Amino acid sequence: QSALTQPPSVSGSPGQSVTISCTGTSSDIGNYNRVSWYQQPPGTAPKLMIYEVSSRPSGVPDRFSGSKSGNTASLTISGLQAEDEADYFCVSYTSSDTYVFGTGTKVTVL
Amino acid sequence: EEQMVESGGGLVQPGGSLRLSCAASGFSFSGYWIHWVRQAPGKGLVWVSRINGDGSPHFVDSVRGRFTISRDDAKNMVHLQMSSLRDEDTAVYYCARDRKYGLEVWGQGTTVTVSS
Repeated sequence: QSALTQPPSVSGSPGQSVTISCTGTSSDIGNYNRVSWYQQPPGTAPKLMIYEVSSRPSGVPDRFSGSKSGNTASLTISGLQAEDEADYFCVSYTSSDTYVFGTGTKVTVL
Repeated sequence: EEQMVESGGGLVQPGGSLRLSCAASGFSFSGYWIHWVRQAPGKGLVWVSRINGDGSPHFVDSVRGRFTISRDDAKNMVHLQMSSLRDEDTAVYYCARDRKYGLEVWGQGTTVTVSS
């Protein structure tokens, strides 16, 4: 199972919006609405930000939103803040009844 | 507070074995899917294994046949038994609780180093 493909880095100024893509195949993202997103600041454990493509857990700001089209899922951070600077990973359930992570994207706030 | 705490990491020689444990607290453990995820130094996250509420195990191809996973619902614990360890198994290992296909509660990780 190959890792899902994410851009290595994205950046934006405070207040701007950034979108991170996550591209898979018809065996994972394309066939299931079971995509989740995680935020990982340096040296810390990951934190769930989005599950089931677009649902937010309690406590996650509504600046974070998720979507999916075909084999590609996306995470959008609106109104970018300094505290959003971190690595972000997508995950999808797969047809093999396993999970697969994305390659990770570093978000930099300029 | 819902919490997951990993233990059992350490230094092991190539070909050796190690047993990781994950202790859950603050929630009703039985029935939840529990995952193990690892992160090699400076690298991304990699899904390793999952155990369902009924005990059925699932593994990434690179560890299948070398790792086993089990759970003890009476003690709110999950164990990852790792054998035939390789250099590339060196990583921080996290356990996490699944909810609606999202890994909702994570531990702080335990470090496994495979080196001679």
